[in-house]
Amino acid sequence: AQSVTQLDSHVSVSEGTPVLLRCNYSSSYSPSLFWYVQHPNKGLQLLLKYTSAATLVKGINGFEAEFKKSETSFHLTKPSAHMSDAAEYFCVVTASTGFQKLVFGTGTRLLVSP
Amino acid sequence: EAGVTQFPSHSVIEKGQTVTLRCDPISGHDNLYWYRRVMGKEIKFLLHFVKESKQDESGMPNNRFLAERTGGTYSTLKVQPAELEDSGVYFCASSKVAGTSGGKTQYFGPGTRLLVL
Repeated sequence: AQSVTQLDSHVSVSEGTPVLLRCNYSSSYSPSLFWYVQHPNKGLQLLLKYTSAATLVKGINGFEAEFKKSETSFHLTKPSAHMSDAAEYFCVVTASTGFQKLVFGTGTRLLVSP
Repeated sequence: EAGVTQFPSHSVIEKGQTVTLRCDPISGHDNLYWYRRVMGKEIKFLLHFVKESKQDESGMPNNRFLAERTGGTYSTLKVQPAELEDSGVYFCASSKVAGTSGGKTQYFGPGTRLLVL
């Protein structure tokens, strides 16, 4: 079975400062991990994915995440926040084999102040 | 390439009524998934189609929910009769055929916001 824990329900940053959204996972199998973002009144957009290749994954809009097996973590980072980054972010896990359901974290709402 | 589309975008119905949600996956995607997010909770899996066959329906909450994918193209999710606790956002996602590069990635539609009064 797989699960993810997003450690913060809300994160507040100032524009231009770094962003860190934390995610820990649990998986019985070698996992595939994703970060999705949902802007207000929009659908879910894939930011980045880890599928057992490079452990440092680069995504869209300057985001990246590092897969750390020893820490069972997949934290999302961005060096400099932009106002347009304000949204809800979801850490997601699935088994790496086959086509299986995604298991979502509870989400982290990122607030960016000027 | 068109993305996943869902209809309607919003639906407000009374308890006991029937609602049918529709999802059109990305063309050529054999895998189609339904998820939902009820108020204040995480997004949860409902079911998975491979073409027209139900691969996994372990997330369907009860027999008031019926999903179909006739012909392996679009899918419908019917709730009959609707209850208050069915309110939430229903997402559809699709992914490519197994074995292709990037085939695991699920692409989501904008969701249908359902409110049961």
